[in-house]
Amino acid sequence: DGGITQSPKYLFRKEGQNVTLSCEQNLNHDAMYWYRQDPGQGLRLIYYSQIVNDFQKGDIAEGYSVSREKKESFPLTVTSAQKNPTAFYLCASSLPLQTGNQPQHFGDGTRLSIL
Amino acid sequence: RKEVEQDPGPFNVPEGATVAFNCTYSNSASQSFFWYRQDCRKEPKLLMSVYSSGNEDGRFTAQLNRASQYISLLIRDSKLSDSATYLCVVNPLFSGGYNKLIFGAGTRLAVHP
Repeated sequence: DGGITQSPKYLFRKEGQNVTLSCEQNLNHDAMYWYRQDPGQGLRLIYYSQIVNDFQKGDIAEGYSVSREKKESFPLTVTSAQKNPTAFYLCASSLPLQTGNQPQHFGDGTRLSIL
Repeated sequence: RKEVEQDPGPFNVPEGATVAFNCTYSNSASQSFFWYRQDCRKEPKLLMSVYSSGNEDGRFTAQLNRASQYISLLIRDSKLSDSATYLCVVNPLFSGGYNKLIFGAGTRLAVHP
């Protein structure tokens, strides 16, 4: 079955530590996205990538970094510069804009908490 | 003003009821629209796209009113399993060249026996 896999489901970060969230998709989608969701709020875009080896900042990129070395993979690193990292992190993918406006499909998320 | 606004609810309805949610958007040039469903502590899942002429999928009907800049979702014959948060999602025209989606904060629905 095609889908998006995020790991781990739960992650705890110590002060001053960088942590990396994994996102892998086998939907053959060019575009991938990272969102953050806080209680009672809508999803906010952290980074997006339209194609391999290219990525752009979203609305709240400070304290985060990404890479896109393979089409299937779009890992997100939460750095120690992100002072309020506790949230639900969601990875998504879609067909590119050139195919028309497309919905995005989500992985099942990673919950990050501070120790 | 938020780009996408929804009544947070909760809407508490009995099984079998009909319930409707509205969502307003600020960008009049927005091109496409979706409803997603999100269960507690789970990822959002696409419920349906919203087409200009309105569309139906079983018990769910979506409508778009471009003049007033709102979309709606109607759920008929509510089931206990419909209990979830419903996210209104809009794709604005001027998205910087990528498939940008703007998510509302969601409307919570609780269906009770």
